[in-house]
Amino acid sequence: EDKVVQSPLSLVVHEGDTVTLNCSYEVTNFRSLLWYKQEKKAPTFLFMLTSSGIEKKSGRLSSILDKKELFSILNITATQTGDSAVYLCAGEGNAGNNRKLIWGLGTSLAVNP
Amino acid sequence: GAVVSQHPSRVICKSGTSVKIECRSLDFQATTMFWYRQFPKQSLMLMATSNEGSKATYEQGVEKDKFLINHASLTLSTLTVTSAHPEDSSFYICSAFGTGRAEQYFGPGTRLTVT
Repeated sequence: EDKVVQSPLSLVVHEGDTVTLNCSYEVTNFRSLLWYKQEKKAPTFLFMLTSSGIEKKSGRLSSILDKKELFSILNITATQTGDSAVYLCAGEGNAGNNRKLIWGLGTSLAVNP
Repeated sequence: GAVVSQHPSRVICKSGTSVKIECRSLDFQATTMFWYRQFPKQSLMLMATSNEGSKATYEQGVEKDKFLINHASLTLSTLTVTSAHPEDSSFYICSAFGTGRAEQYFGPGTRLTVT
């Protein structure tokens, strides 16, 4: 059965800390691994990873995929209170002719001033 | 990035009534849209995949007669919650793959409260 497991489920840090969020996956006909940030409303897209070992960066956020070990990490450096959110990881696979995302439960990050 | 809108953003209805939620792709064509439900402090749960011009594909455990999905055009999908009950109260989110894009874009969500 397809599944995506994120860890930790929740995390509390102080501003300026660096955090690493983990995502392991088992997805049939795997296509890509996606990270999203969810605050009070719908998730917003962060990264899509398709190849192993190639780091994607956006400001203080970066992410990398290991397709051999079936996991990805999301790093946030110099955290700010605005980084407080739930970070969702999803594995994209194919279900017949349809593309499908398998979602993890998310990591709830709280950054305290 | 691609823009997906949802309407309404918030709706309160009485038990037994039906509610329609619209999902529109504003600047791209979406042959496939997805409907999710999210309960407080839980992850997204895929309800169904909405395909333009054909029947939606429902996930196991989701009643297709209760959650009616229509995807009549390349920019619009609707979800109708029929005979809503308080346990249907949730956050409903739609998303779509943008044309020529690999990532999924989400609408802002609709908060449904059934009293």
